[in-house]
Amino acid sequence: EPEVTQTPSHQVTQMGQEVILRCVPISNHLYFYWYRQILGQKVEFLVSFYNNEISEKSEIFDDQFSVERPDGSNFTLKIRSTKLEDSAMYFCASSDPAGGDSNQPQHFGDGTRLSIL
Amino acid sequence: QKEVEQDPGPLSVPEGAIVSLNCTYSNSAFQYFMWYRQYSRKGPELLMYTYSSGNKEDGRFTAQVDKSSKYISLFIRDSQPSDSATYLCAMKPSGSRLTFGEGTQLTVNP
Repeated sequence: EPEVTQTPSHQVTQMGQEVILRCVPISNHLYFYWYRQILGQKVEFLVSFYNNEISEKSEIFDDQFSVERPDGSNFTLKIRSTKLEDSAMYFCASSDPAGGDSNQPQHFGDGTRLSIL
Repeated sequence: QKEVEQDPGPLSVPEGAIVSLNCTYSNSAFQYFMWYRQYSRKGPELLMYTYSSGNKEDGRFTAQVDKSSKYISLFIRDSQPSDSATYLCAMKPSGSRLTFGEGTQLTVNP
C-alpha cells in the first residue's frame, strides 16, 4: 500500500540553527500538509499546500517556517532559526485530488522527531 | 470551550470486549469526520472517514456521527491486543485543516 515517507526519523539541532524536514507524499496525491505534535499534546495543523502555493496556514506557521516542493516528489518544511519550543514530532500528510476535491482523507507519514538543544 | 474534546483515558478492556470511543465538538461547520489510530512512535493511521451524519461500518469498526448533538463515536467489536493504541478523532469543515482531539489511549488485555 502506498505510504507517505519522512526523513530523517529523528533530527537533533542546536537552537538558532536552520532545519529542513523532508517528506515524499503518496505519488498521485496533490494536496500536502504539515502538522506537529508536541509531546503530550494534540496534533496541530501547520500548513497546507496545493498547486505550488500555500492554501492555508495556522497561527503557528510564522515567518520562521516555510514550505517548498523542490521537485516532483519531495515536500519540505524549513524552520529558519529554531527555538526550544519547536521541539515536537512533525508529521507530513497528503491527500488525493479526486474530482478536484480537497476533502479526501489525509494520509500521514510516521513523522520526524525534532529535538532542539 | 475547546473545538474538539476527547477523553484521554487511559481505557483498559479485556480481549473480546466492545470498545466505545467518543468525541464532542463545538464548531457547527465541521462536515468531515475521521478516526485515526496511532501506535507509539508512529504516525496517525486512517481508520474511518465519514461525511455528515450517519453510520459507517468497516469490519470490526463502526463510526457514528450525530451532527445534531455534535457527537461522534467509534465502536470496536471483538477487540484484540493488537488494537492497543491511541485513537484520535479528527474533523474539518470543507477545506483542508484537520482539527484533532487529544486522543484516547486504549489497552486491550489478553
